[in-house]
Amino acid sequence: DVKVTQSSRYLVKRTGEKVFLECVQDMDHENMFWYRQDPGLGLRLIYFSYDVKMKEKGDIPEGYSVSREKKERFSLILESASTNQTSMYLCASSLVGQVLGGYTFGSGTRLTVV
Amino acid sequence: DQQVKQNSPSLSVQEGRISILNCDYTNSMFDYFLWYKKYPAEGPTFLISISSIKDKNEDGRFTVFLNKSAKHLSLHIVPSQPGDSAVYFCAASEIQGAQKLVFGQGTRLTINP
Repeated sequence: DVKVTQSSRYLVKRTGEKVFLECVQDMDHENMFWYRQDPGLGLRLIYFSYDVKMKEKGDIPEGYSVSREKKERFSLILESASTNQTSMYLCASSLVGQVLGGYTFGSGTRLTVV
Repeated sequence: DQQVKQNSPSLSVQEGRISILNCDYTNSMFDYFLWYKKYPAEGPTFLISISSIKDKNEDGRFTVFLNKSAKHLSLHIVPSQPGDSAVYFCAASEIQGAQKLVFGQGTRLTINP
């Protein structure tokens, strides 16, 4: 069964901490994405990557960075966590040119910044 | 600027009846449209999709309708079952570029026995 695995289901971090959210996929997908889900706002794209070491900003990249050193792994970094980054973070992957087949999402990481 | 909008935050339907979830979009460059279903504490799962060259796509109990002139799509679930209770997101993408998905705000569907 194909999978997108996010390393943590729940995280609690303090304001100002550097936070790493890890995502690994086993489907050899080229594209990987980080979204955050907030009530009333749906899913908003933070960053995406279409190849190793390639990254592009999504709609809300401020306060975040990403790293993709290997095809299967895409990391989201909160350089200095703030309370407004408390959210559900969702990682997804997809094949190039397979939009109609949809993304495969991980189970999400619920991050609370206190 | 919300390019994909789901104006109904919630919908309640009786088991066995039809559920109709609606979605509007503003970007005329969108070519692909998808619906996702999400249970609490899980990631969204892909449900059904449609390309802009079609106006209807059916998969079992699920049918998606696309009205390009109105920039509107809908998801019909018939008959509705208790397991359909979830949050439903519509999403859209352009054919060019990275084909990233733009999501709506979601509609919470509750199926009552």
